[in-house]
Amino acid sequence: DAGITQSPRHKVTETGTPVTLRCHQTENHRYMYWYRQDPGHGLRLIHYSYGVKDTDKGEVSDGYSVSRSKTEDFLLTLESATSSQTSVYFCAISESRGSGSGNNEQFFGPGTRLTVL
Amino acid sequence: KNEVEQSPQNLTAQEGEFITINCSYSVGISALHWLQQHPGGGIVSLFMLSSGKKKHGRLIATINIQEKHSSLHITASHPRDSAVYICAATMDSNYQLIWGAGTKLIIKP
Repeated sequence: DAGITQSPRHKVTETGTPVTLRCHQTENHRYMYWYRQDPGHGLRLIHYSYGVKDTDKGEVSDGYSVSRSKTEDFLLTLESATSSQTSVYFCAISESRGSGSGNNEQFFGPGTRLTVL
Repeated sequence: KNEVEQSPQNLTAQEGEFITINCSYSVGISALHWLQQHPGGGIVSLFMLSSGKKKHGRLIATINIQEKHSSLHITASHPRDSAVYICAATMDSNYQLIWGAGTKLIIKP
């Protein structure tokens, strides 16, 4: 199994509070991703990172920010949590984005279940 | 309309049956991924393929680039194969992954 951990694994918080989720990898992969998974939807990309301090938005980035100060850590922050952000959040990593012959097979962390009351 | 469509949405079968899950896509892709998500929630990559066929144990994945279609087959299915199977395609225009909605498979003993 790829060495990817997420913390916390479960969190309950109140509307309006800030929340930070952490993803940590030991594989030295360049690319890291944050997804959310909700019933009735496939995985949806929030943000991704292609290197230290290099990040870009995904399809559902509103209300979320990310930071990557080290190769191994990718943080997802909800500045002011809302009930619509109740979801399961997955972190993933890949060696490459997929261009050329790059391998963009993604390996996933165990997920964080976030409930915003 | 989603650019990656899976069928069926739900599939229930008896142990031992041959299972086929389909994935169709409407965009140009550089790779097609199959992943498995168990009831506990963890997501595992099964295959990444850009042509032909790949096999791992009882799992076989095929892709037909001309028809923009991929299939995941499970031979001699077992209750432990019960999971959600997810198809995803790497778009060759921007290398973004487009995700299917998943197929929920239940294998009854």
